[in-house]
Amino acid sequence: EVQLVESGGVVAQPGESLRLSCAVSGFTFDDYAMHWVRQAPGKGLEWVSMITWDSSDTYYADSVKGRFRISRDNNENSLYLVMNSLRHEDTALYYCVRDLGSGEVFEFWGQGTPVTVSS
Amino acid sequence: EIELTQSPGTLSLSPGERATLSCRASQSVASSFIAWYQQKSGQAPRLLFYGTSSRAIGIPDRFIGSGSGTDFTLTISRLEPEDSAVYYCQQYGSSPPFTFGPGTKVDIK
Repeated sequence: EVQLVESGGVVAQPGESLRLSCAVSGFTFDDYAMHWVRQAPGKGLEWVSMITWDSSDTYYADSVKGRFRISRDNNENSLYLVMNSLRHEDTALYYCVRDLGSGEVFEFWGQGTPVTVSS
Repeated sequence: EIELTQSPGTLSLSPGERATLSCRASQSVASSFIAWYQQKSGQAPRLLFYGTSSRAIGIPDRFIGSGSGTDFTLTISRLEPEDSAVYYCQQYGSSPPFTFGPGTKVDIK
C-alpha cells in the first residue's frame, strides 16, 4: 500500500523558515518524480514544486520561486520542502504527492501537514 | 501559462441524475493532458482521470472523462450520495506550472 506521511507543519512568523518532510512507503521511491501541492483554507489546489526521480531537475511555482527548495533522499525514501522567507499567503495545508509516472499527474496524496504563517 | 476555468461553480442534483462538469483552458492543451480530481470534505484529493479519459485505478465507469483542445468535460452518469465533493481539473505536459482549475462543487440533494 502506497503511503505518504507529511510532517513539519507548524505556526511560524512572517520571514521565518520551515522544513517539511514526507516519508513514503509502499513503492520504489526512486522510480517516481514527486511534488508538493498546497491548499489554503477554504481555497483550491495550487501546485508548488516538483523534483525528478534523481533530483536532476526541480521546478517551482512563481509564488514560491527563490524562497522554497525541494529535495529528496532516495536512500531514506523521503521528500523535503525548505520554506524560507515565509509570508502570510503561504498559510495552507501542504500535500506530498507522488507522480503518476507518465506526465505530471498527481496519483497518490498524503493527508497533508498544516502551515500557518501569522504574526 | 495555461489557465483553467471550471463551470458551474456549484451543481446541486439528486441521486440518479447526470452531472456535467466543464473545464475550459486558455489555450489548447497538448495531447489532451488534462486530469480530474475529486476532493471530499476533509480529505485529500483523489485522482479520477488522466489523459482526459483514462480512469485511475478503482474509479467506477459511471465517471466519464472527455474532450479535446480547450474544452473538457467530466460526466457522472448516475449520481450517488458519495459523489458529493469538489472536482478539480488540472493541466500537465507543458512547462510548469501545472495549474488546477478553481473547482466545481457537487451537492447531492
